[in-house]
Amino acid sequence: AQSVSQHNHHVILSEAASLELGCNYSYGGTVNLFWYVQYPGQHLQLLLKYFSGDPLVKGIKGFEAEFIKSKFSFNLRKPSVQWSDTAEYFCAVRRSYGQNFVFGPGTRLSVLP
Amino acid sequence: GAGVSQSPSNKVTEKGKDVELRCDPISGHTALYWYRQSLGQGLEFLIYFQGNSAPDKSGLPSDRFSAERTGGSVSTLTIQRTQQEDSAVYLCASSLDGNYEQYFGPGTRLTVT
Repeated sequence: AQSVSQHNHHVILSEAASLELGCNYSYGGTVNLFWYVQYPGQHLQLLLKYFSGDPLVKGIKGFEAEFIKSKFSFNLRKPSVQWSDTAEYFCAVRRSYGQNFVFGPGTRLSVLP
Repeated sequence: GAGVSQSPSNKVTEKGKDVELRCDPISGHTALYWYRQSLGQGLEFLIYFQGNSAPDKSGLPSDRFSAERTGGSVSTLTIQRTQQEDSAVYLCASSLDGNYEQYFGPGTRLTVT
C-alpha cells in the first residue's frame, strides 16, 4: 500500500533556528511531491511542489525541499524560522499516472519567539 | 478569484442521522477531492472526481458514505446513519485537472453526538 511517513510529530524551535522536516514515501516509480502548510485557523495551502527537473525546489516564504529519489525522500527545509511559521506541515505524494494524493500524518511546528 | 467553499462550516448531528456536506470548487477546476481529517491525524483520502465521474472511490470507509458531483461543479458528500467515529473535519479540494496541485476549502467540522 502507498504510504507517506513524516519523521516528527511535533517540532519545537526557537526563532532563527534552522528547520528540516522529514518526509519519506514507500513506493517506486515516477512521483509528484508536495508540501502543504496549515496555519492555525486557516486552509491548507501549497508551500512547494516537485514534478520533474531540478530536485531542489524553492517555495514560498523561504522554504525549500530536496527530492532524493534513492532515499524516497522529500525533506522540507528553511534556514531560519520565524514565529509566523508556527503551523502544521503535510507532505503529499502522487503517482504521476494516478490521481490519488496520499498525505503524511503531518508535523506540527511550534516556533518560540 | 473565489476559492473552494464548503458548507456548512460546522455540523452537529445525532448518531443515526444522515448528513450532507457541500463543496463548491474553484470555477473551471475539473478535479475534485474529498478528505477526512480526524483529530491528530493526517488527511485520509475519501474520493476523487474528474468531471462528474468518480474514477477513485477507494477511500470511502463504508457503504454509509457516498458522494456525487453534478454539472462538473458542486459536489455533495453524504453520510448515512452517522456514527460517533464519523466525527472529523471533512475537507474538499479542487484542481485544474488531476495533474496539478490541489486547492483546499476551509472544511466542515462534523460532530456526531
